[in-house]
Amino acid sequence: DAKTTQPNSMESNEEEPVHLPCNHSTISGTDYIHWYRQLPSQGPEYVIHGLTSNVNNRMASLAIAEDRKSSTLILHRATLRDAAVYYCILSNMWGGSQGNLIFGKGTKLSVKP
Amino acid sequence: ETGVTQSPTHLIKTRGQQVTLRCSSQSGHNTVSWYQQALGQGPQFIFQYYREEENGRGNFPPRFSGLQFPNYSSELNVNALELDDSALYLCASSGQGLAGGFRTQYFGPGTRLLVL
Repeated sequence: DAKTTQPNSMESNEEEPVHLPCNHSTISGTDYIHWYRQLPSQGPEYVIHGLTSNVNNRMASLAIAEDRKSSTLILHRATLRDAAVYYCILSNMWGGSQGNLIFGKGTKLSVKP
Repeated sequence: ETGVTQSPTHLIKTRGQQVTLRCSSQSGHNTVSWYQQALGQGPQFIFQYYREEENGRGNFPPRFSGLQFPNYSSELNVNALELDDSALYLCASSGQGLAGGFRTQYFGPGTRLLVL
């Protein structure tokens, strides 16, 4: 399975936008880009996913580079509740290795009031 | 709609013992995956069950085993516990995707296991 590279940590101020980068230079044409986040003392939570086009949902936006070798998760207005570890994960559209998710260490986002 | 639930929330065992962790999948989901998360690390895939059959396994020894029941709930069993088995054990359920492929996984809160 393809790997991703994310910064270990990032800081943001409350109510400001946050751009979380992810590099995935070995992505294949059939890999989806997924983002999950894990709040303290909770299981991971699905945020968003995409294949080629930018995606928006109620939680965030996903901007995918034209060559698909990188992507950015955008939180439009960070709140204290958004403080979490954010994971960028690639998974084959047909489920990869039986559909399991391969997590890295993710980016720990801190939000300052 | 009930989310993924896991029991117990916390557990303390001693080395060499056996443990069983339980997971109830989200309503309508037929697939359950188990992950192990050591402190400061991302979750690591243990195995997945689909319609009561193991449907893929990560790099974990055979003393990690599982079951899935007709109602799609699942158990993770770990025999001969080792100190390094101390971790958060996460269960995730997923349903059939529209195209039969991509399936969002919904995670439970986890069971924190401490092996002394």
